Amino acid sequence: IVMTQSPATLSLSPGERATLSCRASQSVSSNLAWYQQKPGQAPRLLISGAFTRATGTPARFSGSGSGTEFTLTITSLQSEDFAVYYCQHYNNWPPLTFGGGTKVEIK
Amino acid sequence: LQLVQSGAEVKKPGESLTISCKGSGYRFSTDFTNYWIAWVRQMPGKGLEWMGVIYPADSDTRYSPSFQGRVTISADKSITTAYLQWSSLEASDTAIYYCARGEGAFDFWGQGTLVTVSS
Repeated sequence: IVMTQSPATLSLSPGERATLSCRASQSVSSNLAWYQQKPGQAPRLLISGAFTRATGTPARFSGSGSGTEFTLTITSLQSEDFAVYYCQHYNNWPPLTFGGGTKVEIK
Repeated sequence: LQLVQSGAEVKKPGESLTISCKGSGYRFSTDFTNYWIAWVRQMPGKGLEWMGVIYPADSDTRYSPSFQGRVTISADKSITTAYLQWSSLEASDTAIYYCARGEGAFDFWGQGTLVTVSS
């Protein structure tokens, strides 16, 4: 299964809404996770099961979708949210695959 | 729970290497042994690549086709440690390697081990 994320880069200002997309080459049901990675740090799980926030994930992060189309929304970007975001499927895993990532940068 | 990985390594092509990932800070060892431990590669400036997973309780191991035969994943449940091993490194193995715990989605990650392979 190939995971495709778009856009590759999202340039936004603090306070704006971010919408990140992830598409699977075949249905992964709701077995989809989102991770955040900041420079020099390990990835951090934000959302699993397509929409369930992990412990400590702020409410401004929300996930939606099922099947092949998924979205991560950040309702009002904070300075600490500028990072790279990866989606990853785990349907009938292993194997599992990551998307190529979306970099959210300050405009 | 913390996953503590071994330190950075600098190796020459053709050399062997084993890096480790130790679970600590848990109440019960099953917080490590009864979850899958994955290894993930991140090449310089690139994205995340899943290499394989191991279930430490019974050492059930699965590999990504891209890494099958190139690395060996193992674990010692008695010391809650997982390992990633190369028998002959190549320059293209230069990357940060992360271990992570989970059951599909990975909720705890190690800090990463930088492996540099250069002649």
